[in-house]
Amino acid sequence: AQSVTQLGSHVSVSEGALVLLRCNYSSSVPPYLFWYVQYPNQGLQLLLKYTTGATLVKGINGFEAEFKKSETSFHLTKPSAHMSDAAEYFCAVRSSNSNSGYALNFGKGTSLLVTP
Amino acid sequence: DSGVTQTPKHLITATGQRVTLRCSPRSGDLSVYWYQQSLDQGLQFLIQYYNGEERAKGNILERFSAQQFPDLHSELNLSSLELGDSALYFCASSDPGRDYTGELFFGEGSRLTVL
Repeated sequence: AQSVTQLGSHVSVSEGALVLLRCNYSSSVPPYLFWYVQYPNQGLQLLLKYTTGATLVKGINGFEAEFKKSETSFHLTKPSAHMSDAAEYFCAVRSSNSNSGYALNFGKGTSLLVTP
Repeated sequence: DSGVTQTPKHLITATGQRVTLRCSPRSGDLSVYWYQQSLDQGLQFLIQYYNGEERAKGNILERFSAQQFPDLHSELNLSSLELGDSALYFCASSDPGRDYTGELFFGEGSRLTVL
């Protein structure tokens, strides 16, 4: 079964500082990996995805993530945090079994707090 | 705005009752996914429909059921409600091309409170 683990349920950074949100995956097949963001009282929005090809993927709002097979990781980074980045971030891996088809399996989420 | 519409946004009901949540996918999307988000369980996949047919099942309770209609909107029916069913229920849709990659577009959710 495909699963992800997000390290740290809460991360706090200062405005302008580096954002690093950690995600490790477990998959028996080459994974399709995603980062989604959820702002308060809103649905989830896709930030970026890795399917195949280039291991460094760029997303919206200046975020990027690097797929590292050797480390089974897909950490999300942003060089300089903005106040507007405060939200809940979810790492996800696409399932690929006969029961759950291609549904996404999500991590528990990391709440990002950005302080002035 | 993802283009996925969910109603109602908020719903308060009592234990033992039955509710129906509705989802209209983005125009052209054939797949509808239902997820439950709660503090203790996180985001859990419930069920997927593709062009009217059930495609995949996740951690959906027997008290819950869903269907997708010919116009592609979907309904999630929750019955014999328990306190623990209180959660945010998300619908997500995907087009045939993106369905394989797993990219989903989420609605804003329906918040269910069971008292």
